[in-house]
Amino acid sequence: DAMVIQNPRYQVTQFGKPVTLSCSQTLNHNVMYWYQQKSSQAPKLLFHYYDKDFNNEADTPDNFQSRRPNTSFCFLDIRSPGLGDAAMYLCATSRGPPRTGLSTDTQYFGPGTRLTVL
Amino acid sequence: AQKVTQAQTEISVVEKEDVTLDCVYETRDTTYYLFWYKQPPSGELVFLIRRNSFDEQNEISGRYSWNFQKSTSSFNFTITASQVVDSAVYFCALSEGLSGNTPLVFGKGTRLSVIA
Repeated sequence: DAMVIQNPRYQVTQFGKPVTLSCSQTLNHNVMYWYQQKSSQAPKLLFHYYDKDFNNEADTPDNFQSRRPNTSFCFLDIRSPGLGDAAMYLCATSRGPPRTGLSTDTQYFGPGTRLTVL
Repeated sequence: AQKVTQAQTEISVVEKEDVTLDCVYETRDTTYYLFWYKQPPSGELVFLIRRNSFDEQNEISGRYSWNFQKSTSSFNFTITASQVVDSAVYFCALSEGLSGNTPLVFGKGTRLSVIA
């Protein structure tokens, strides 16, 4: 059974047209992450939530936003996609120990959403 | 600063050959965690193993084995008797533990092609 689910698997949008990617999890994990992975590159962390606490990476563009309305769901909003935002977007979750050693837990990844910008 | 180096960009082997994927890491922390993930063509990152810095025991899981050596800061991954289904990109990753909000740092990955 899928534990980290991402919808849609493939998303096509137009330059400048806002798009939202969805992630849900059945693991009841505290922490949810969004990564961007461009072709032939390693995943790059955009941001993560520990419960409702949002943590943005310093070099994540303002064009990328996230929402986590409840434990199970997390959304990635790209306000004005550019051609350079075409990538695979990976969602991951981890259990997250009590507010120390946050990232020592194993992260489990979803299948990803491949975003194409026309 | 933490860093993970996977020097092998691409490896190609014939089925049933053994293959070792190299991973060298850098960290200033004494407590850290190392991971290997597999990314098949479908795109999902599949967790393979997690090892903490205090546990240098090598591990074997079926055809997979891992060799962790702190003296050389390496965490190499060996696939024995490779199969076509092993074809994927393999990522080594590092996380500095017990120091708060640190991200998982990935190497650039090694693309393994197993030819029938």
